[in-house]
Amino acid sequence: DAGVTQSPTHLIKTRGQQVTLRCSPISGHKSVSWYQQVLGQGPQFIFQYYEKEERGRGNFPDRFSARQFPNYSSELNVNALLLGDSALYLCASSRTGDTEAFFGQGTRLTVV
Amino acid sequence: GQQVMQIPQYQHVQEGEDFTTYCNSSTTLSNIQWYKQRPGGHPVFLIQLVKSGEVKKQKRLTFQFGEAKKNSSLHITATQTTDVGTYFCAGPYSWGKLQFGAGTQVVVTP
Repeated sequence: DAGVTQSPTHLIKTRGQQVTLRCSPISGHKSVSWYQQVLGQGPQFIFQYYEKEERGRGNFPDRFSARQFPNYSSELNVNALLLGDSALYLCASSRTGDTEAFFGQGTRLTVV
Repeated sequence: GQQVMQIPQYQHVQEGEDFTTYCNSSTTLSNIQWYKQRPGGHPVFLIQLVKSGEVKKQKRLTFQFGEAKKNSSLHITATQTTDVGTYFCAGPYSWGKLQFGAGTQVVVTP
């Protein structure tokens, strides 16, 4: 079985632009979570979706939004990019949301 | 809000030595999870502990969940170069939302 896949793997954007990151969970997993990881820190929770509904949101501004599609894949959107948004964005899938999380390889976003 | 703290932040180990990294939560946890992230990689699930006082072993790694379910530890024996990476503990502060610690970065000297 394929693991969690994320695209793109690397991205360079300019301040003020918008970005969309994509995630395909492991087959059979209905929960997708998004995390932001800044260098030297642990992943910070952004969103969790289960069965296409938002189940949780971390302490991130409204510039961050996400959605989950009927096939359980997910997108994370970030508007009006700031330099501080530069980070590794990780997607994690799990069967039910309260079991172990399987992470994708991440999208490295650089805002210049 | 819930905080998860890990110590030490950095651990330099000679190959063959043992070490322990600790994780403490400000609140009681329903479970604690441990992840390993290799340099340039992504977090990989290692184990989940659920019961008070639970101890689980994976080869040279021993994981323990405290009696009060607020702390946990990871002990590695006979450290190898393959143990290099950052070890994170994470606790759910509500359903599906994992709160990660800052991690312990392990460097192994041959």
